[in-house]
Amino acid sequence: QKEVEQNSGPLSVPEGAIASLNCTYSDRGSQSFFWYRQYSGKSPELIMSIYSNGDKEDGRFTAQLNKASQYVSLLIRDSQPSDSATYLCAVRDFIYNQGGKLIFGQGTELSVKP
Amino acid sequence: GAGVSQSPRYKVAKRGQDVALRCDPISGHVSLFWYQQALGQGPEFLTYFQNEAQLDKSGLPSDRFFAERPEGSVSTLKIQRTQQEDSAVYLCASSPQNRGEQYFGPGTRLTVT
Repeated sequence: QKEVEQNSGPLSVPEGAIASLNCTYSDRGSQSFFWYRQYSGKSPELIMSIYSNGDKEDGRFTAQLNKASQYVSLLIRDSQPSDSATYLCAVRDFIYNQGGKLIFGQGTELSVKP
Repeated sequence: GAGVSQSPRYKVAKRGQDVALRCDPISGHVSLFWYQQALGQGPEFLTYFQNEAQLDKSGLPSDRFFAERPEGSVSTLKIQRTQQEDSAVYLCASSPQNRGEQYFGPGTRLTVT
């Protein structure tokens, strides 16, 4: 059973601080990793994808991947109250001729306090 | 352009009723996925289509669940004889190819009473 693990939180940070969200996965062969943001009552919104070891930056967001440690993280710089949401880590489980379904963690709830 | 759309947004069914949930993917996206999300959990995979072919239905929880995508565009997820444990949000996602990034629709919240 392939698994993705996240701390459920809530993670509370003050406005302007760096929020650090972490995720581990069980399948050493995984190649593709995603972070989705989900506001309460809404559907998941893709914010970052990462495929290679190292860091990938997009605006205030940085995704970090370490395949040797089977660890992926998301850093949010200069956190804003509007960043308050649940952040879902997803790992693609690609099987030839069966597509690439996503396996999700349970999500980490982030609260940014003004 | 237009994103993934789903209808209805909310559905209340009495136990034992059949329901049909519709997904209209992003135009040109060949891959379509259905997921089920329970409250407080991450989405869980149900089934996958590449064009009109259903290539993976390993996540369907029982034979009461059936999905189709007859013309390779719109997809319907049907649940027969609904049970209370079927209450969840049903999410549809599409992708330009099976290795691509997946974009989710707004979901259908199903409540079985």
